[in-house]
Amino acid sequence: QLQLQESGSGLVKPLETLSLTCAVSGGSISSGAYSWSWIRQPPGEGLEWIGYIYHSGTTYYNPSLKSRVTISVDRSKNQFSLKLSSVTAADTAVYYCARRYSAYGAPFDIWGQGTMVTVSS
Amino acid sequence: QSVLTQPPSVSGAPGQRVTISCTGSSSNIGAGYDVHWYQHLPGTAPKLLIYGNNIRPSGVPDRFSGSKSGTSASLAITGLQAEDEADYYCQSYDSSLSGSGVFGGGTKLTVL
Repeated sequence: QLQLQESGSGLVKPLETLSLTCAVSGGSISSGAYSWSWIRQPPGEGLEWIGYIYHSGTTYYNPSLKSRVTISVDRSKNQFSLKLSSVTAADTAVYYCARRYSAYGAPFDIWGQGTMVTVSS
Repeated sequence: QSVLTQPPSVSGAPGQRVTISCTGSSSNIGAGYDVHWYQHLPGTAPKLLIYGNNIRPSGVPDRFSGSKSGTSASLAITGLQAEDEADYYCQSYDSSLSGSGVFGGGTKLTVL
């Protein structure tokens, strides 16, 4: 059974870069059948899609975050990462990584437990 | 402001049936994108509950069902159980946002 586990800094200063990693276990991140996603949930709010990356390296980002987001894959470590630059308090959220089938309109079928990131000086 | 609109809360007694609506527009649900539903207990990983509008993944009880019509979708839960108390989110994609994934604001289900 594939599992995802987020890790990274839980506290980031304003205007710095948020960095998170999602470790994939029980399966290969190099499978062309899937893409790898980041989704977040600010306190008291709903879910917000951040973006995803295909095994080819092609990325798709939420237009509202596109200028600040980078998602990358490290196949040697079977993990993928999120970098969000110039963060503000509005970026405080629980960040989830998730797997998505590489198909039109596909769901996110497996999620990590999530990791809380607070933006504060 | 979420792209997909859900009621903030619904409630029902054990054994009853409840429905959760998800309203979109011609650029998302109405454009033909499938709707997916997730169940989320705080502090845990969200769980895919329904995909492709009305398909249950293996292991999801048949008490849960989904439907889609026009620019809206619904999740129905029959035979309500205490363990169903959770947040429920609908999700689709939006062509006006370059095919971005979009979520509803979430609905808190309370089992009375």
